[in-house]
Amino acid sequence: AQSVTQPDIHITVSEGASLELRCNYSYGATPYLFWYVQSPGQGLQLLLKYFSGDTLVQGIKGFEAEFKRSQSSFNLRKPSVHWSDAAEYFCAVGLETGRRALTFGSGTRLQVQP
Amino acid sequence: DTEVTQTPKHLVMGMTNKKSLKCEQHMGHRAMYWYKQKAKKPPELMFVYSYEKLSINESVPSRFSPECPNSSLLNLHLHALQPEDSALYLCASSQGRQGRETQYFGPGTRLLVL
Repeated sequence: AQSVTQPDIHITVSEGASLELRCNYSYGATPYLFWYVQSPGQGLQLLLKYFSGDTLVQGIKGFEAEFKRSQSSFNLRKPSVHWSDAAEYFCAVGLETGRRALTFGSGTRLQVQP
Repeated sequence: DTEVTQTPKHLVMGMTNKKSLKCEQHMGHRAMYWYKQKAKKPPELMFVYSYEKLSINESVPSRFSPECPNSSLLNLHLHALQPEDSALYLCASSQGRQGRETQYFGPGTRLLVL
């Protein structure tokens, strides 16, 4: 069965510093990959997605992610973090066959220090 | 417009009450979803509707009853809930080929069962 792992439960960075959130997946074929962000008490907002093609994808709010097939990873990056980026970040996988549903990672909580 | 709306934003109910959650989208999406999310956890899939027919029920207790009256609306009827059912309930919708479809989430309904 497919799975998604976000190894970091909680990350703290200083405002202006760079950020990388890790996501690893386990799936036999090429997955469809997503990053969502959730502010406290809110719904999930799509940051970016990867289906095929260029392995470096750009998203909203200055985020980007790189798909690395050899490492089964889809890490999220931002060059300079803003205080408003403090939130919970979820990586998710969609499958072309089988169950029509996203498989979510457990999430990474980002705290931004002034 | 990628908006999914949910009402009410907050709901408090007793264990003997009957209430309903409502979700609406006007993006022409033909798949709609209900998720349950507990604090500090990823969303858990409850139900999936595809073309107004229930396609996935993740072994959800019968005290939760979904309904899809038309392609834009999704309801979740609640009856005789337990305190452990208190959570954020998220609705989502999507369109396109399975796996490659992007799910758009509503802001959620925060439910408290007393």
